[in-house]
Amino acid sequence: AQTVTQSQPEMSVQEAETVTLSCTYDTSESDYYLFWYKQPPSRQMILVIRQEAYKQQNATENRFSVNFQKAAKSFSLKISDSQLGDAAMYFCAYRSSDGMLTFGGGTRLMVKP
Amino acid sequence: DAEITQSPRHKITETGRQVTLACHQTWNHNNMFWYRQDLGHGLRLIHYSYGVQDTNKGEVSDGYSVSRSNTEDLPLTLESAASSQTSVYFCASSGVNGETQYFGPGTRLLVL
Repeated sequence: AQTVTQSQPEMSVQEAETVTLSCTYDTSESDYYLFWYKQPPSRQMILVIRQEAYKQQNATENRFSVNFQKAAKSFSLKISDSQLGDAAMYFCAYRSSDGMLTFGGGTRLMVKP
Repeated sequence: DAEITQSPRHKITETGRQVTLACHQTWNHNNMFWYRQDLGHGLRLIHYSYGVQDTNKGEVSDGYSVSRSNTEDLPLTLESAASSQTSVYFCASSGVNGETQYFGPGTRLLVL
């Protein structure tokens, strides 16, 4: 079974600064997907970014980018130019070949004005 | 626009009662999923379906059941609600390739 670990229960960042959220996972598969979801106080789960394991290039979506290290089984999220609206819970998720998602425990991000 | 909806958004029930949570998606996705999220935790998979008449148990399926009679809907039933089932429930769906799951807004359930 796959496991996903987010070792930072809470992080804080100053507005306009950059922050990196960590995620590690354990798997024996070679083909899979990794995701970061954002959950604001509304509880809605919002897809932030997706990475295919077979792609060496790190995914980027505007201010959000990932550092995917397949050999190390590491998948961190970097948020640049942090905004107040970025404050939320962030969940890392692993999608296995059978389509199942396994979530990490989440990181609460606080953004200081 | 295509979307995924859940109803009710909030529900209070008593121990022992049967409760059904609705999930409806207009993405025409084959795959649908039910998760629960407990305070301070990530989501855990309850049941999932890869198509009409297909249902499968997830990590925490005890006390829950689902049925899939059409593509759009996957209702989740708590046969006899227990206080341990107080949680926020999320429905999700994904397409044939299944890479990305899209989530509904969640249902907050309180079992007294």
